[in-house]
Amino acid sequence: EVQVLESGGGLVQPGGALRLSCAASGFTFSTYAIGWVRQAPGKGLEWISSISGSGSNIDYADSVKGRFTISRDNSKNMVYLQMNSLRAEDTALYYCAKDRVAATSDTFDHWGQGTLVIVSS
Amino acid sequence: DIQMTQSPSSLSASVGDRVTITCRASRSISTYLNWYQQKPGKAPKLLIYVVSTLQSGVPSRFSGSGSETEFTLTISGVQPEDSGTYYCQQSFTTPPVTFGQGTKLEIK
Repeated sequence: EVQVLESGGGLVQPGGALRLSCAASGFTFSTYAIGWVRQAPGKGLEWISSISGSGSNIDYADSVKGRFTISRDNSKNMVYLQMNSLRAEDTALYYCAKDRVAATSDTFDHWGQGTLVIVSS
Repeated sequence: DIQMTQSPSSLSASVGDRVTITCRASRSISTYLNWYQQKPGKAPKLLIYVVSTLQSGVPSRFSGSGSETEFTLTISGVQPEDSGTYYCQQSFTTPPVTFGQGTKLEIK
């Protein structure tokens, strides 16, 4: 059974940093891209970053480029999202999601339950 | 960036009704269009990918159609458990992956 589980959220002050983790199991982890999608309270879905199975291809939304860094450790079946220079508008529930196919398709078929990030003083 | 626009933003339906949600792309995305369902307090769930292919386990009352810039999600015979918010998403030109703003479906 495919499982995806996020952790690392919490309350952080503006300008602060946080690292989110995504643990995955139930599939050949190194073969699949993983994406991060966030949802601000009461709002819609916003894609923020994806990383290919090998880690060689990485993309970011403009809203986080230069502040967030995605990485993965295929030996541990983990993906990370390092978030620096956090702003109030980064407050959201952050989801980690698995790509549907082994080649990146940007279609997410398994999602975690999310980890909440609150940026506030 | 490709903008995705859904209509309506919300709708109310009775059990057994046929419901249609429309998604328009700001330019052609071929057939790279996916639909997700999100229930309150839950993660999104992939319903349909590449316009019309049902994800495993999704009831056959859900269907999708369209191409280029206009797409529809249809629920034929809506059930109480279909309440939630539906999002379209394009995967044709990335980055960025873009989602529609969502359509909230209420079952009367």
